[in-house]
This record gives sequence, C-alpha cells and structure tokens, in this order.
Amino acid sequence: AQRVTQPEKLLSVFKGAPVELKCNYSYSGSPELFWYVQYSRQRLQLLLRHISRESIKGFTADLNKGETSFHLKKPFAQEEDSAMYYCALSGNTPLVFGKGTRLSVIA
Amino acid sequence: NAGVMQNPRHLVRRRGQEARLRCSPMKGHSHVYWYRQLPEEGLKFMVYLQKENIIDESGMPKERFSAEFPKEGPSILRIQQVVRGDSAAYFCASSRPGQANTIYFGEGSWLTVV
Repeated sequence: AQRVTQPEKLLSVFKGAPVELKCNYSYSGSPELFWYVQYSRQRLQLLLRHISRESIKGFTADLNKGETSFHLKKPFAQEEDSAMYYCALSGNTPLVFGKGTRLSVIA
Repeated sequence: NAGVMQNPRHLVRRRGQEARLRCSPMKGHSHVYWYRQLPEEGLKFMVYLQKENIIDESGMPKERFSAEFPKEGPSILRIQQVVRGDSAAYFCASSRPGQANTIYFGEGSWLTVV
C-alpha cells in the first residue's frame, strides 16, 4: 500500500530561521516523490519533484530511500513561505498525498 | 493555455439537495482526478477518469457520490442528498495520458452544506 506521512500538522518558525518539513513514505516499489504548496485558498502548485533535484524558492528536498523520507528544507524562512505544504507519492495509483503541514513564518 | 477550470468556485446547498461540480481539464489533457479536502485534513483521492471511462474510483464514498467525464464537456462530480459532512473543498486535476505523476490542479470548488 502507498502511504505518505507528514507528522507535523503545524510548524511555526521565525523569519530567517531554518525550516524542515518532514515527510515519510511507504511504498514497495520505486516511488516518485513531490512537494506541493497551497497558499491561502488557492490551487495546489507543484513545488518540487525529486527526479529534477532542483531548488525552487530556496527549498530543496532529497529522497532518502534508506529512511524512506523526502523532507523539505529551506535555510532561511521568509514570511511569504507561510502556506500549506503537501508531500505526495506517485506509485502505481494516482498521487497519494500526506495530510499536509501548515507552515507559519513569524516576523 | 488555460489551466484546469472548476466551477462553481463556491456553492451553498441545503441538506438533501444535490451538488454538481464541474471541471474542464487543461488543453490536451484527457485524464481527470477529483480530490476532496476536508477542513483541517489533507487531500483525499476520490476518483480518476478518462473520457467516458472511470479508471479508479477507490476513494469514492459508496453512496450519493458519482462522477462522469463524457466525450464532450467537462467532468462532473455529483453529490446527491448532501449532508453537512460533505462540506469541503473539492479539487480537480488533469494530466495527459500516461502521465499520472504530472498533474495540474484547478482552484477548487468550496461546497458548504447548511
């Protein structure tokens, strides 16, 4: 079964502090992992996908197959990063999402 | 190239009424996905359709919910005899055939049942 776990429902950090949003997955095959972001009452937007290994808006995420994790990181949080972040997995079914983590960046 | 279009953006229904949510995929996309986002919950997969065919409906509630994607026109998610617990944001996404890992979302339809 495919499963995505985001253990933190809410994460509050101060502006300029490092951010790490945790994501663990469960899948027996070779997964594709994604991070989506949803700003207040807007559509979900793709932020990162592990196969492209890029940095978007200062965020990076590395797939760790040993730990089955795909944590999202940013060294210095900005107020505009405040949003809902979803980790998602693509295996042999349509995208499966975690429950999301709400990031709140405090000025 | 217009993105995924959903309407209505906001819908209010009384208990027992029917709700119809529409989704027009991006140009060139023939696969549509519906997800539900309950308050304080994540996104839950509901159904995956291509034109005139339901591919995966494993996330659809067994009663009152149905979805279609006709040969012509938008995909429709239909909820009959709505109850308060149906109040949620319903997101549609679309993809090209064979690219289920690259989906684009619409802005969502917020259903409120009063």
